[in-house]
Amino acid sequence: GENVEQHPSTLSVQEGDSAVIKCTYSDSASNYFPWYKQELGKRPQLIIDIRSNVGEKKDQRIAVTLNKTAKHFSLHITETQPEDSAVYFCAASSGTASKLTFGTGTRLQVTL
Amino acid sequence: SAVISQKPSRDICQRGTSLTIQCQVDSQVTMMFWYRQQPGQSLTLIATANQGSEATYESGFVIDKFPISRPNLTFSTLTVSNMSPEDSSIYLCSVEISTGGTEAFFGQGTRLTVV
Repeated sequence: GENVEQHPSTLSVQEGDSAVIKCTYSDSASNYFPWYKQELGKRPQLIIDIRSNVGEKKDQRIAVTLNKTAKHFSLHITETQPEDSAVYFCAASSGTASKLTFGTGTRLQVTL
Repeated sequence: SAVISQKPSRDICQRGTSLTIQCQVDSQVTMMFWYRQQPGQSLTLIATANQGSEATYESGFVIDKFPISRPNLTFSTLTVSNMSPEDSSIYLCSVEISTGGTEAFFGQGTRLTVV
């Protein structure tokens, strides 16, 4: 089955700096790659996703890049703000968008 | 988007007992998914629940331990049977909704503590 690795496990950045989280996947059939943000005690919320026919997608301060050949994808957050502090999960799916294999998570802390 | 309601939001249970978690969606969906999130860990898919057929379980999860019902297109239940402290986790249901593309929405989760 699919295996998704995520790095780093923790990331601390100063407000205004950029944050990058990287994931690799094993199943070449995977074609959907969402990123979720989970605040403490809350449900995961989709923040951005990318499909395998696209190499990059951007939404305001958030961008995701996908390298199908290398089987890795990355989340980029620019101009970080304290409210960006949360745990971020990458995921991969080869079928339905809800049948996901998740990465291990990255705890992002944005300091003032 | 979708409104997904889970009940209970949390519970503390004695080992050896069972707990049934309910998931209600405000629109009809073909598939519903159940995930487990152990303390401080990532999410792991338990099973996929389709209306009118038996649930499909992922490796490491079995029907006797996690029986699932899907009586209609807006509702599902997950039972955690014969609980042990290792079952202490957050259990989340998820549905797939078309929003231009398709994306997964999660319920708020059920925080289960087994003592």
